[in-house]
Amino acid sequence: RKEVEQDPGPFNVPEGATVAFNCTYSNSASQSFFWYRQDCRKEPKLLMSVYSSGNEDGRFTAQLNRASQYISLLIRDSKLSDSATYLCVVPPISGGYNKLIFGAGTRLAVHP
Amino acid sequence: GAVVSQHPSRVICKSGTSVKIECRSLDFQATTMFWYRQFPKKSLMLMATSNEGSKATYEQGVEKDKFLINHASLTLSTLTVTSAHPEDSSFYICSARVALDNNEQFFGPGTRLTVL
Repeated sequence: RKEVEQDPGPFNVPEGATVAFNCTYSNSASQSFFWYRQDCRKEPKLLMSVYSSGNEDGRFTAQLNRASQYISLLIRDSKLSDSATYLCVVPPISGGYNKLIFGAGTRLAVHP
Repeated sequence: GAVVSQHPSRVICKSGTSVKIECRSLDFQATTMFWYRQFPKKSLMLMATSNEGSKATYEQGVEKDKFLINHASLTLSTLTVTSAHPEDSSFYICSARVALDNNEQFFGPGTRLTVL
């Protein structure tokens, strides 16, 4: 099993839709998680950290399910500008703070 | 704050030449920087961890003699792709960690390398 797995998509949704992505991770001891956003041919940018209690920032909600070892990202009222690839990131326990493991990303395409 | 720059943003070179990519932390000091590579439609893969004042730590399968990393100051790390070949064509991205107790990394804008 890969350390971090994501559905590559693409998810094609109309403006205003609600869309959710999941990301599964293999190391049950992982403590912190992130969602990054990457636009085409650009660098990744931190979107949200994922806490045990969940995290909400405007239209974006991130949640953690430790029992099933996945994190989720929910986007409400999708905008055209949300079109991007969303990367799930998990720091490995053994690597300490020195490494981030990136999922391959889920591509979102929001259309008018 | 936490701005990371890279130079050049794009480079095209002939097979066999060496290419140097610079990564700078503009408004903070970074004792640790990271070099990633991303092939089209693939995930970012960590190549090496660059430590100021010491040797870089390379990930398994990454040739240290081919990808030379120098982290001579707290704000600059360089990656030199030696004797580049077409299969080295990729998107190279650096990142820096702001705080020792924080996993968050800030990424440079990336360098697109094309080897002819």
